[in-house]
Amino acid sequence: GAVVSQHPSRVICKSGTSVKIECRSLDFQATTMFWYRQFPKQSLMLMATSNEGSKATYEQGVEKDKFLINHASLTLSTLTVTSAHPEDSSFYICSASGQGGGYTFGSGTRLTVV
Amino acid sequence: GESVGLHLPTLSVQEGDNSIINCAYSNSASDYFIWYKQESGKGPQFIIDIRSNMDKRQGQRVTVLLNKTVKHLSLQIAATQPGDSAVYFCAERRNQAGTALIFGKGTTLSVSS
Repeated sequence: GAVVSQHPSRVICKSGTSVKIECRSLDFQATTMFWYRQFPKQSLMLMATSNEGSKATYEQGVEKDKFLINHASLTLSTLTVTSAHPEDSSFYICSASGQGGGYTFGSGTRLTVV
Repeated sequence: GESVGLHLPTLSVQEGDNSIINCAYSNSASDYFIWYKQESGKGPQFIIDIRSNMDKRQGQRVTVLLNKTVKHLSLQIAATQPGDSAVYFCAERRNQAGTALIFGKGTTLSVSS
């Protein structure tokens, strides 16, 4: 089946620094990638949608200059949290969709900003 | 904006019982629905899906029912086991392939032995 690898699984960073999260589709071409954020005991909230080779489309209230999304290839998308602050601490999850239309989720990244 | 919601935040059952988890959605144009299971610290795990042109779909120990008239989705788990303990989310896709899934609030299922 389709597999999406997300790294790192956990990261701790200092306030003011940037963190990059990678999402790779291992056995299919991900024409579209989705990034979600999940706070404790809450649901997954869509942050942005990115199509390969295009700029990401961000959901209302998500700062595009703070959450930089790159989807330069059909197998890799990255989310960079710039100038991270403690309120950015969350669980970030990517999802990839190929031409078959299904959705495959990564295992998530627990970001803690100290 | 429109969103998918859930009726009950928590559900506690005994091992062997049948569980029913409910979901209400508001977007009448949604054409595809998925139930996910999420364990602590992990990504969502696909359970079962259903398209809007169906009203019932069965899998192994799970059944999804879709009532488009009242915009209601349910997940039935037969003979619930302790390993079924997790948070369950329903998600909807708005009217075309390639668009993002929108998730409901989640129901925590707790199964006791």
